[in-house]
Formats: sequence, structure tokens, C-alpha cells
Amino acid sequence: KAGVTQTPRYLIKTRGQQVTLSCSPISGHRSVSWYQQTPGQGLQFLFEYFSETQRNKGNFPGRFSGRQFSNSRSEMNVSTLELGDSALYLCASTWGGATYEQYFGPGTRLTVT
Amino acid sequence: AQSVSQHNHHVILSEAASLELGCNYSYGGTVNLFWYVQYPGQHLQLLLKYFSGDPLVKGIKGFEAEFIKSKFSFNLRKPSVQWSDTAEYFCAVNTNAGKSTFGDGTTLTVKP
Repeated sequence: KAGVTQTPRYLIKTRGQQVTLSCSPISGHRSVSWYQQTPGQGLQFLFEYFSETQRNKGNFPGRFSGRQFSNSRSEMNVSTLELGDSALYLCASTWGGATYEQYFGPGTRLTVT
Repeated sequence: AQSVSQHNHHVILSEAASLELGCNYSYGGTVNLFWYVQYPGQHLQLLLKYFSGDPLVKGIKGFEAEFIKSKFSFNLRKPSVQWSDTAEYFCAVNTNAGKSTFGDGTTLTVKP
């Protein structure tokens, strides 16, 4: 099976712009979660989508949003970028059973200048 | 809200030394526990997992972890580390669907 894929892998944006990141889960996986990884804050949960519905949400401002399509692919959007949004954004997928064993993609490295 | 604490930020060992990385979590209910590893330049990979049953679980590459419910701990162990084990290790707790809480990570450096 192909793993979790994320595009683009690297992105440079300017403050105030918006950005959309994409994640394709492992085939058959219905849950997609997004995490932000930074040296200072570690891995922080953004949100989770399951069957096109947001099922869980972390403590991030409303500038961070996401969606999931019928084929389980997911996108996350960050509007009005701030310098502090520079991070590695990780996507993880899981089948959605009781154990929630997550498989991570390589991440999108976002740099905001 | 649950939290995860990893005791060591950076561990340096020589090859063949034994490894134990501490992980404690705070949550009173049923948890799923994981250790993930991130090798240099690679993405997070699942090392091992605990859901229920035998509290001693074995993972890939000779790693094992022991769940001690009374101590809210899930420590990672390996009897003899190799240079290739140099990586960052994350403990994670899952209590709610696709939302996992991660520790801050422990960087392991193994000297050849």
C-alpha cells in the first residue's frame, strides 16, 4: 500500500497570505488528522476529519481550517499567515477503528517570511 | 485534558548500551499508547503500540515498552542500542478517535 502523501513538501509564503496544504491518506483509511510540529511547541493537534466531518479540533485559532473530500483526501488552509505559523505540518491517517493507530506523511514544511 | 511527559530531552549512549526512555501521561480513563520514532530526514514511524492485554509490548527493531497502569507510565526500552537508533522518539496517548497527544520528544544520540 502506498503511504500517506502530502503536497507540497516545501512552501514559502509571505505574512498575510493564505496557504492550502493537501494530504492523501492510505487507501481505505477514513480518518485524517493534522498536526503542527515546531521546535518550541512540539507536535500539536490541529483537527481530525472522518467521513467528511470534523470530528475533533485542537486549540488553534479560526485561521486554521480544513476539509475532507469523499475520497478521504484532506486539505488544510491557513489564512492571514503569521510568522509563527512557520512549522512542519503533518498529516496522519488511520482506518478509524477502535485503536486509532496513525500513519504519518512526510509533512509540508511551511516558511512564512 | 490529557498530557504526556517525556523525562529526558536528550540522551547520549554508546553502542551496545541499554536504553530506557520514560513516558508518563495524565488521563484517568482508557488509553491507547504509542511510541513513534523520527529518524533524521525521515517522517514519523510507529515503533510500537499498546491497546490492551499484555502490558509488555514488543515493537520493531528490538524495542519494547511496558505499560504500568498504576504509574501512568509507558517506558520504552532496548537492551542494546545501535548507531542506527539515533533518532527522536515520541510517546503519544490517544483517548479520542484521531486525536493524539504527544510528548515533547527525546533525542537519542548513539555514539559508534
